[in-house]
Amino acid sequence: GAGVSQSPSNKVTEKGKDVELRCDPISGHTALYWYRQSLGQGLEFLIYFQGNSAPDKSGLPSDRFSAERTGGSVSTLTIQRTQQEDSAVYLCASSWGQGESETQYFGPGTRLLVL
Amino acid sequence: EDQVTQSPEALRLQEGESSSLNCSYTVSGLRGLFWYRLDPGKGPEFLFTLYSAGEEKEKERLKATLTKKESFLHITAPKPEDSATYLCAVQADVGSQGNLIFGKGTKHSVKP
Repeated sequence: GAGVSQSPSNKVTEKGKDVELRCDPISGHTALYWYRQSLGQGLEFLIYFQGNSAPDKSGLPSDRFSAERTGGSVSTLTIQRTQQEDSAVYLCASSWGQGESETQYFGPGTRLLVL
Repeated sequence: EDQVTQSPEALRLQEGESSSLNCSYTVSGLRGLFWYRLDPGKGPEFLFTLYSAGEEKEKERLKATLTKKESFLHITAPKPEDSATYLCAVQADVGSQGNLIFGKGTKHSVKP
């Protein structure tokens, strides 16, 4: 079956512009996560959605970052007034949800470069 | 604070030369430890999940083991196609919504 997909695969933007990153999770997965990997760093958790519950935003680095998930499926991560330190690979993952089988399956990522 | 440390940062080996990658972790209750493979330009590819100390899992040339403080990924007689960055991550049992805490990875290069 289809895996997690993300778009765009690459994005170059100017400092101060807003960007939107999209994630399509695996069909039927109720949990969706956003991570980012900055150069030389490990993957860093950003935000988590589980079904219709309020999202866990504890990993968002600033109020310029926001995310939504429509209809329990597609998610959009928005970064407002981008800064150069926002340059990173943004990864989306989905899983069946909490429980024994919580393996998270990742998309290919969006490579964001802020000039 | 929950933390994952991987060593070495990089490993360069000849084809057939076996290795062990280390993942040391500190977590307030372990729900699961995960190994992923990361290739350039791609997202992490799931390899294994380990849940309790003493557990072992194998897949082709890869074998993952788990103790209460660390996990090892053993790569036996590797081939050039085993060249990748291997990521270790933990999922905490306490105060966690399920997000993974990752190490920085071990870059594993195999020369033919």
